[in-house]
Amino acid sequence: EVQLVESGGGLVQPGGSLRLSCAASGFTFSSYWMSWVRQAPGKGLEWVANIKQDGSEKYYVDSVKGRFTISRDNAKNSLYLQMNSLRAEDTAVYYCAREWATAAGFDYWGQGTLVTVSS
Amino acid sequence: EIVLTQSPATLSLSPGERATLSCRASQSVSSYLAWYQQKPGQAPRLLIYDASNRATGIPARFSGSGSGTDFTLTISSLEPEDFAVYYCQQRSNWPRMYTFGQGTKLEIK
Repeated sequence: EVQLVESGGGLVQPGGSLRLSCAASGFTFSSYWMSWVRQAPGKGLEWVANIKQDGSEKYYVDSVKGRFTISRDNAKNSLYLQMNSLRAEDTAVYYCAREWATAAGFDYWGQGTLVTVSS
Repeated sequence: EIVLTQSPATLSLSPGERATLSCRASQSVSSYLAWYQQKPGQAPRLLIYDASNRATGIPARFSGSGSGTDFTLTISSLEPEDFAVYYCQQRSNWPRMYTFGQGTKLEIK
């Protein structure tokens, strides 16, 4: 059974940092692109970043470029999101999602971890 | 950046009725379009990928159509569990990036 379990969320002050983790199991993690998607309270979904199977390609939404860094450790079946210079507008539930191997979509999602940026 | 516009923002229907949700792209996305269902407090669930293919375990009452810039999600006969928020999403070829529509809330009339 495919499972994605996020952790690392919490309350952080504006300008602070946080590192999210996503533990993957039930599939060959190193064979898939992986993404982070976020959802602000009461709002829609926003794709944040993704990373290629071997980590050689990474892409980001404009609003987080230069502040967030996506990475992965295939030996540990883990995905990460380092978030620096956090702003109030980064407050959201952050989901880890597996990118469909042969089509355009996210076929598995984690349950999400809440990040709150507030003083 | 490709912008996806979903309509209507809210759709009020009764169980048994047919639902038609629209997603329009600001430029062609070929068939790289997916649909998701999200219920309160839950992660999104993939319904349709590549515009018209049902994901594993998705009931046949859900269907997707369209290509280029205009796409439709149809629910042929609404069940009580179908009332939720629906999002469309596209993927650009290169760079490999994604955008979501703003969502359509399907509510019970």
